Amino acid sequence: RKEVEQDPGPFNVPEGATVAFNCTYSNSASQSFFWYRQDCRKEPKLLMSVYSSGNEDGRFTAQLNRASQYISLLIRDSKLSDSATYLCVVTLTGTASKLTFGTGTRLQVTL
Amino acid sequence: NAGVTQTPKFRVLKTGQSMTLLCAQDMNHEYMYWYRQDPGMGLRLIHYSVGEGTTAKGEVPDGYNVSRLKKQNFLLGLESAAPSQTSVYFCASTKTMDTSYSNQPQHFGDGTRLSIL
Repeated sequence: RKEVEQDPGPFNVPEGATVAFNCTYSNSASQSFFWYRQDCRKEPKLLMSVYSSGNEDGRFTAQLNRASQYISLLIRDSKLSDSATYLCVVTLTGTASKLTFGTGTRLQVTL
Repeated sequence: NAGVTQTPKFRVLKTGQSMTLLCAQDMNHEYMYWYRQDPGMGLRLIHYSVGEGTTAKGEVPDGYNVSRLKKQNFLLGLESAAPSQTSVYFCASTKTMDTSYSNQPQHFGDGTRLSIL
């Protein structure tokens, strides 16, 4: 079983739609959680950290369920510019901030 | 502020050749990392460093060596390149853990595309 699993997609949604991605992780000792965005042939960029209480940044909402070991990302009012691959990332406490990446979920927003 | 800079951006090598990839960061970060990204595999950690003069193996270290002689630089070496090392290589850096003991997000360079023939 992969340490971090994501549905690869692609998710094809019209502009203005709401879309949600889920991610599951296998190590219950995982401590920190992030969503990164990666555009085609570019470097990953931090989208947002994920906190236990859930957090929101504009149109983006992240949730963490430690009991079920999954993380979610909700994007409201999708824009064409949201088209990218979204990477779910976890770390273990005390592991020199080493990140474990999911393979990513591809989102394509269309007119 | 340049952030994390990788050189070169592209390179084509023949099997058996050697080369060094350079990563430089100007954010005074303690931790630096080298990853490779292959289709369908996600990013995988090759080697990392928690400070000047220290390095450690990651998930896929075989065939690579690293050095961190200066805090701002982290070098990745391929002694004898193999076609299986064709990949996109990313360098990243981060601060040490903050006082709340939550790990810090990493800042990435824009990648080196390496092809081995």
